Formats: sequence, structure tokens, C-alpha cells
Amino acid sequence: TQLLEQSPQFLSIQEGENLTVYCNSSSVFSSLQWYRQEPGEGPVLLVTVVTGGEVKKLKRLTFQFGDARKDSSLHITAAQPGDTGLYLCAGVTYGQNFVFGPGTRLSVLP
Amino acid sequence: GAGVSQSPRYKVAKRGQDVALRCDPISGHVSLFWYQQALGQGPEFLTYFQNEAQLDKSGLPSDRFFAERPEGSVSTLKIQRTQQEDSAVYLCASTRGVPAGELFFGEGSRLTVL
Repeated sequence: TQLLEQSPQFLSIQEGENLTVYCNSSSVFSSLQWYRQEPGEGPVLLVTVVTGGEVKKLKRLTFQFGDARKDSSLHITAAQPGDTGLYLCAGVTYGQNFVFGPGTRLSVLP
Repeated sequence: GAGVSQSPRYKVAKRGQDVALRCDPISGHVSLFWYQQALGQGPEFLTYFQNEAQLDKSGLPSDRFFAERPEGSVSTLKIQRTQQEDSAVYLCASTRGVPAGELFFGEGSRLTVL
């Protein structure tokens, strides 16, 4: 069974602070994705990382894929209340399936 | 439609009732996934279709759960003899196909079993 772990489980910070959340697995995935989910809605894709060591930036969000393609991190600079939500990592298996982690629930206070 | 559509959005069932949840994926999307999401948790995989073929049903928690996609478009997740532990949000998602790209999710069907 391929499992993904995420840490921290909960994070509450003040507007303007920086933060990093982590996604780890003992399995290798063909790619890894990050989604954000808001209450009452389905998750929405933020980014896909494919190559070991890859770094992608999306405005204030920086995503990194580990060299061994088993782990990833999401760094947010100068967090804003609009960043509040559940951040989910998903490993894409070689069988074209998607395995989700338990999520990090982020709360950014004004 | 423009996005993935799920119905009903909310369903309350008495324990022991059968329920059917519908998913209408984005037109032309080959792959369709069902996930179960408990409150505050990440989505847990249930089953996966490529066109009408159910390629993986290893996540279905018991034989009370059944999914179908007979014409390779609309899918139905059926839960027989519902139990309280079945209470969750059931998410449907679709992708264009292989290789797997972005998962497009519906808003989910929230099932409450009393």
C-alpha cells in the first residue's frame, strides 16, 4: 500500500508569516501534485512536479520535489488570509492512480 | 457541462437504506475516480474507471459498495444497507486520460446516515 504522510496536521499563523508544509512517502511516484480544498468544495490543483529535485514557483508558493521522488514541500511566503484551506498532496502512481495524503489544515489570521 | 457535477449534494439516509450517488464528469474525460472523505481528512481512494472499465476497486470498503459507469460517461456509486460509518463526503473526479493529468473534482455528495 502506498501511503503519503503530511506535516504538520494543523497550522495557524498570522498574516505575513512564512510557512512550510511537508509531504513524505516511502514509495516512489511518477509525479506528485498539490491541491487546495476549501470547505464545501472539491480540491483544486495547484501544481504538478515530475522530476526529482524540481522546484516550481506559483506567485508566493514554492513547491519542491525530493531528489528521490518520494517527498515534497510547499513553502508559502508572506501568507494571506486567502491562503486558508486544506492543503493536500497526491502521489500519481505508475498505474495512473492518485493517492492522497491526510492534508495540512492552514489558518491564516488577519 | 463545464465541470464535474455530482448529485445529490446532500443525502440523509436511515441506517439500512440503500443510496445512489451520481457523477457526471467533464465531457470527453476518459478516467473517473471516486473518493471518500471523512471530516477533516484527505480523500481516500474507492475506485477508478477508464471509460467503462473499472480498473481498480481495491478501495471499496465492503461488498455493500458498488460503482458502475456503463457507457463510459456518467457514473453511479451505490451503497447498500448503509451504516453510520458510511457517513462522509463522496467526491468524484475526472481526468482527460492517460497519462494522468489534473484531477477535476466535483463538489461532492455529503451522506449522513442516522
